[in-house]
Amino acid sequence: NAGVTQTPKFQVLKTGQSMTLQCAQDMNHNSMYWYRQDPGMGLRLIYYSASEGTTDKGEVPNGYNVSRLNKREFSLRLESAAPSQTSVYFCASSEGGIGQETQYFGPGTRLLVL
Amino acid sequence: AQSVTQPDIHITVSEGASLELRCNYSYGATPYLFWYVQSPGQGLQLLLKYFSGDTLVQGIKGFEAEFKRSQSSFNLRKPSVHWSDAAEYFCAVGAQFTGRRALTFGSGTRLQVQP
Repeated sequence: NAGVTQTPKFQVLKTGQSMTLQCAQDMNHNSMYWYRQDPGMGLRLIYYSASEGTTDKGEVPNGYNVSRLNKREFSLRLESAAPSQTSVYFCASSEGGIGQETQYFGPGTRLLVL
Repeated sequence: AQSVTQPDIHITVSEGASLELRCNYSYGATPYLFWYVQSPGQGLQLLLKYFSGDTLVQGIKGFEAEFKRSQSSFNLRKPSVHWSDAAEYFCAVGAQFTGRRALTFGSGTRLQVQP
């Protein structure tokens, strides 16, 4: 049982380049999330998807787009990367999604924007 | 809006000593509270959670936490720390009945264990 997987594990971009972070879960969860983690700031929610076909903005959505491709997959896209987007990105999933369900996290993608 | 404060950025304890990590939350209703642990280079793993009922909850790896409504706290404890407990610990609060579909995390406490 792989749980939540993320690709790539590490990426270096130049300012203005685009990229898509991939996330997949095999637990048949309805809800999926994208967080970013910055030193001293904990995790901040970028976007979430309560169910297949729906997405909503979180706390820090600017500069990002998401796609809930199907129940398993939830991708995060940076259209024009900026140095401020240097961070570690975590995908998570939960069976339900009203803040009380346990969230399961992937191993993270470390992104450096030069 | 809900918020979580972890007042200690970094804590160092000796192996075998007891541990208490502090967490204070702000939320108008009964919160759902979580503690997660993050080992270096890894994702987050759930240690324990509180939804309702007994205010002292047991988790994995010998951790426990106590919900104190009067103090708006949910402190994490372990009676005897092992070197493998060195990690970063995050407290989080979830919303109830507001439709918010995610957690609000504290800024984390990094635990260092001395031999």
